[in-house]
Amino acid sequence: AQSVTQPDIHITVSEGASLELRCNYSYGATPYLFWYVQSPGQGLQLLLKYFSGDTLVQGIKGFEAEFKRSQSSFNLRKPSVHWSDAAEYFCAVALLRGSARQLTFGSGTQLTVLP
Amino acid sequence: GAGVSQSPSNKVTEKGKDVELRCDPISGHTALYWYRQSLGQGLEFLIYFQGNSAPDKSGLPSDRFSAERTGGSVSTLTIQRTQQEDSAVYLCASRLAGQPDSYGYTFGSGTRLTVV
Repeated sequence: AQSVTQPDIHITVSEGASLELRCNYSYGATPYLFWYVQSPGQGLQLLLKYFSGDTLVQGIKGFEAEFKRSQSSFNLRKPSVHWSDAAEYFCAVALLRGSARQLTFGSGTQLTVLP
Repeated sequence: GAGVSQSPSNKVTEKGKDVELRCDPISGHTALYWYRQSLGQGLEFLIYFQGNSAPDKSGLPSDRFSAERTGGSVSTLTIQRTQQEDSAVYLCASRLAGQPDSYGYTFGSGTRLTVV
């Protein structure tokens, strides 16, 4: 089966601490991988994406993610979390359905930031 | 427009009524998607439009759900005889098809549907 798993439903970190959100995928070919963030009452905003090349990708708001084929993972990281980072984070993979790729999302990780 | 626009932002309807949700994609984006986000759930794919091709309706949960896209631009998602389990946020996304970098979709802010 082709799927995306986010093992952590909810993560709490203190402001200024480092952050890592886990994402594992199950896909036979080289995946197109994404991380999105959703603030309360908002749509999804693209943080970063990976298609090929350098396995460490930089995104907006100081986020980065590393693609590890051997672990089928694409974990999101940030060295120092800000209170404004509190939101829900979704990992997604673009899967081929018919003649086009479509995004399949993980179930999300809710991030709480403590002052 | 500059972004994906969805209307209304909130909709409360009585069980059994029909509702229409509108999505206005980014100008020139030929691919349009509808997703549903239920409380505590991830995003569930509903339907996909690409240009003039027949839409991929494989994600629609029942025949009460339908969608159309007029003139390759605005799309309307219609839910007939709404049920309480239809309560969710309905998200629309668009992208410029054909280029790998564009697989990062642009999402609208969604329509929060509450069926009472």
